[in-house]
Amino acid sequence: EVHLLESGGGLARPGGSLRLSCAGSGYTFGDYAMTWVRQAPGKGLEWVSGISNSGDATTYADSVKGRFTISRDRSKNTVNLQMRSLRAEDTAVYYCAKSSGKNFLWLGVFYGMDAWGQGTTVTVSS
Amino acid sequence: QSVVTQPPSVSAAPGQKVTISCSGSNSNVGYNYVYWYQHLPGSAPKLLIYDNNERPSGIPDRFSGSKSGTSATLGITGLQTGDEADYYCVTWDDSLSVVVFGGGTKLTVL
Repeated sequence: EVHLLESGGGLARPGGSLRLSCAGSGYTFGDYAMTWVRQAPGKGLEWVSGISNSGDATTYADSVKGRFTISRDRSKNTVNLQMRSLRAEDTAVYYCAKSSGKNFLWLGVFYGMDAWGQGTTVTVSS
Repeated sequence: QSVVTQPPSVSAAPGQKVTISCSGSNSNVGYNYVYWYQHLPGSAPKLLIYDNNERPSGIPDRFSGSKSGTSATLGITGLQTGDEADYYCVTWDDSLSVVVFGGGTKLTVL
């Protein structure tokens, strides 16, 4: 059974940084793309960033481009989200999710998320 | 504002059927597979439909998906109170080169 466990959430000041991690188990971690999705209070789900199975392709939502960096560590089966220059509007529950493919668009086909973690809460406030 | 549009809310009585629409364009819904998720805030979203109309193992056949042109639809029959949740359609946008979520639809089972 696929299991994803997020960690690293907490309180940060505006302009500060946080690093989220997601540990995957129950499948061959290196075969699938990974993503981070967030839900701000009272809002819908919002895609944040994605990384291919190999780690050499990354994509970001415009709202976080230049501030967030996604990476993966194949030796530890983890995907990380380094968040810098945090803003109040980054306050959200952050979910890690596994793609059903090597990348979200692979050979012209969209591979969406087929497993999700329980989420970790990030609060940006002074 | 999402490039993929869903109605904010739908409602129906227990035992009835409901449909949730997901409207986009040729750069997203029209040319890419659509996935549907059920989400109770605070818990992990759950995959209901992939590749427009396929159900993962364990998802009852009360849930169905379809797509025509630039619109996709999630259907739920035999509504149960346990179906009350938020539902999201998700696809890829070729112009933006990102995954896009619909705004979500809150289902109320009256």
